Amino acid sequence: EDKVVQSPLSLVVHEGDTVTLNCSYEVTNFRSLLWYKQEKKAPTFLFMLTSSGIEKKSGRLSSILDKKELFSILNITATQTGDSAIYLCAVAPNTGNQFYFGTGTSLTVIP
Amino acid sequence: KAGVTQTPRYLIKTRGQQVTLSCSPISGHRSVSWYQQTPGQGLQFLFEYFSETQRNKGNFPGRFSGRQFSNSRSEMNVSTLELGDSALYLCASSLIARGVWGSQETQYFGPGTRLLVL
Repeated sequence: EDKVVQSPLSLVVHEGDTVTLNCSYEVTNFRSLLWYKQEKKAPTFLFMLTSSGIEKKSGRLSSILDKKELFSILNITATQTGDSAIYLCAVAPNTGNQFYFGTGTSLTVIP
Repeated sequence: KAGVTQTPRYLIKTRGQQVTLSCSPISGHRSVSWYQQTPGQGLQFLFEYFSETQRNKGNFPGRFSGRQFSNSRSEMNVSTLELGDSALYLCASSLIARGVWGSQETQYFGPGTRLLVL
């Protein structure tokens, strides 16, 4: 059965801390892995990863994929209260249009 | 470009009723997917439409159905509502159906419709 597992389920940190969110997957015919940030409403796209070992960066956020070990991490450095959100990991297989989502990591950044 | 829009944003129904939710994708996007999000289960895939055809369906009972119109707008319908159907229903659009590499396959989400079944 295809599945995506995220850890930890929730995390509380202080502003300025660095956090690492994990996503492991077992999906047949892997195509790409995507990270989304969900605040109060629509998940917003962060990264799409298709190749192992190539880090993608956007400001204080970065992500990398390991297709051999079947996992990805999302790093956030110098966290701010605005980073508080649920971070979702999704895997897209080669066949079909279904994205498989993890249950998310709820991040709370306190001042 | 306007984003994905969903209506209504909030809905309260009672058990046994039916509900229709609407989604308008980003202009030019032809693929629309629907997801159910609950605290315990996360996002679960309902179905995906492309060019008015259902291309993929998740593991949900037949009470959940959908359709897509020629302008790519999509509706989903839930009949005989149950308490467990209370959830956030998210619609996502993408530019093109699968099989094409690159950011075109990224799904962009609408704000969701929060359904409460009493």
